[in-house]
Amino acid sequence: AQSVAQPEDQVNVAEGNPLTVKCTYSVSGNPYLFWYVQYPNRGLQFLLKYITGDNLVKGSYGFEAEFNKSQTSFHLKKPSALVSDSALYFCAVRDETRMDSSYKLIFGSGTRLLVRP
Amino acid sequence: DTAVSQTPKYLVTQMGNDKSIKCEQNLGHDTMYWYKQDSKKFLKIMFSYNNKELIINETVPNRFSPKSPDKAHLNLHINSLELGDSAVYFCASSPEGTITRRNTEAFFGQGTRLTVV
Repeated sequence: AQSVAQPEDQVNVAEGNPLTVKCTYSVSGNPYLFWYVQYPNRGLQFLLKYITGDNLVKGSYGFEAEFNKSQTSFHLKKPSALVSDSALYFCAVRDETRMDSSYKLIFGSGTRLLVRP
Repeated sequence: DTAVSQTPKYLVTQMGNDKSIKCEQNLGHDTMYWYKQDSKKFLKIMFSYNNKELIINETVPNRFSPKSPDKAHLNLHINSLELGDSAVYFCASSPEGTITRRNTEAFFGQGTRLTVV
């Protein structure tokens, strides 16, 4: 079965420091991976995706993610954290096990990022 | 312009009532979804519709009935509400086509926080 795991419930980092939010995946076939962010009382906002190509994917708000096939990981990173980055981050993989004309995203459990001033 | 919009944003109701949540997307997408986020922030798909046809029903109780009058709308009707239905419900959409679907993320609405008392 397709799945993603986010091993950390919460990540704490000081403003200006680099941040990493971890995600590992388990899929049969090629992975299609996504990161979404959820600010308090807001919907899910797309950050970035890995479909194919370069292992380092750049996304919105200065975030990037590194796809590592050998470690089955897709960690989210940012060189310098901002207090405004504090939010709930979700890793997701697209379920490719169905052959019909639709698909679903399978989400990780979420990681709360807290950036302190 | 709001790409995926849901109404209402908040809904408080008593057990046993019937309620509806509306969703509209102006992205021209063929596929729409309902996801449920529980109190622990876990996100899980409920339904997927492609061009007004039900594609995915993830073992959701039949008290939940999605209705898609056209491909830009996917409404969620819930009968006989229970305490356990309290959650945040997210509508989402994505484009159709094997290639475009694979290369494109899903777009989410702001969510509807349903509280059953």
